[in-house]
Amino acid sequence: SQTIHQWPATLVQPVGSPLSLECTVEGTSNPNLYWYRQAAGRGLQLLFYSVGIGQISSEVPQNLSASRPQDRQFILSSKKLLLSDSGFYLCAWVPLGRDNEQFFGPGTRLTVL
Amino acid sequence: EDQVTQSPEALRLQEGESSSLNCSYTVSGLRGLFWYRQDPGKGPEFLFTLYSAGEEKEKERLKATLTKKESFLHITAPKPEDSATYLCAVQNAGNNRKLIWGLGTSLAVNP
Repeated sequence: SQTIHQWPATLVQPVGSPLSLECTVEGTSNPNLYWYRQAAGRGLQLLFYSVGIGQISSEVPQNLSASRPQDRQFILSSKKLLLSDSGFYLCAWVPLGRDNEQFFGPGTRLTVL
Repeated sequence: EDQVTQSPEALRLQEGESSSLNCSYTVSGLRGLFWYRQDPGKGPEFLFTLYSAGEEKEKERLKATLTKKESFLHITAPKPEDSATYLCAVQNAGNNRKLIWGLGTSLAVNP
């Protein structure tokens, strides 16, 4: 079966510390992958998307970066976190043949103090 | 500019009281409109995709409809377990990699 995993589930980090969030998809190959951030009252903000290994499109200029080292792995990183990076981070994927119907992981709640 | 507006922001219903949520959109060529349900602290759950005006999709107590300017999510005889935030998103025909999202409607159904 096809599933998506994210970890960690929750994270509390100090300002200026690095970040690494991981997303993996099982049961498929060459999916389109997405990173979103959801802040209270601001809806879903697309951060990055990827159509293949090493192919990353950035939607918002900021101190975050994304990488796709393997076909079913998508990583969100930062060298130095800001207070404004706090939020709920969601990874999503599009199964083959499903046009742009995106399916979401469980999310990571990040609090930057 | 492509835009999605959802109304109302919040809705409180009694169990069994049917109602509708609205998603108005402005997009330069609609490729698809999507409805999702999101429970607190969880990722959105896909519900429906609508592609053309006049199309309808149903799932249990939910029915989604589409016109050229808006979509409605009708909830018939809701139950407390239907309480969630309902999100709407559209896909521009010219850019099929990304979705444009509304802010959602928070629905609470009281027993």
